[in-house]
Amino acid sequence: GAVVSQHPSRVICKSGTSVKIECRSLDFQATTMFWYRQFPKQSLMLMATSNEGSKATYEQGVEKDKFLINHASLTLSTLTVTSAHPEDSSFYICSARGISRYEQYFGPGTRLTVT
Amino acid sequence: GIQVEQSPPDLILQEGANSTLRCNFSDSVNNLQWFHQNPWGQLINLFYIPSGTKQNGRLSATTVATERYSLLYISSSQTTDSGVYFCTGGANNLFFGTGTRLTVIP
Repeated sequence: GAVVSQHPSRVICKSGTSVKIECRSLDFQATTMFWYRQFPKQSLMLMATSNEGSKATYEQGVEKDKFLINHASLTLSTLTVTSAHPEDSSFYICSARGISRYEQYFGPGTRLTVT
Repeated sequence: GIQVEQSPPDLILQEGANSTLRCNFSDSVNNLQWFHQNPWGQLINLFYIPSGTKQNGRLSATTVATERYSLLYISSSQTTDSGVYFCTGGANNLFFGTGTRLTVIP
């Protein structure tokens, strides 16, 4: 149990375009979902926390207008990188925590390359 | 935010050796977890351990919440144990440690 999927696993886009990444909890209801980015050989950096049905809480330094997060249901959260630039290239990872769970489960990540 | 320091930052082991990884927190934490990030980037849950000791096969973990640290023990290491080990904690969000990069050589 406790499986989280992400789609796509890898995406290449042109500078100026927008990219949407989906995060789904497959076998549990996720009241809270988290979005991270990870640069090569570095730790994960928390970008934002989203609770189902409410606005996401962004960490300091993360532009909420650039990284749009929607948590529309108990099993789906999306991250949209708007007007992507090469510096947005990174590994984006989502995670989910359920109603009766304290543990957090991670998706396999999405590697975004902006050319 | 909570600062999470892990040691050692890098570790190279001969297959079959044992090791201890440490995680120190700057403040009290709950929801403490250990993860293994494999070479493909997937984070794998190892332990949810806000306090006490747990064991799972060759791995075990101990958290001393009052002293704000946690230890991960790996015994009889295998090449498949290679990767980065992270500890995390925090009241609502999880703050990631700096990670320990483990390389197990045959």
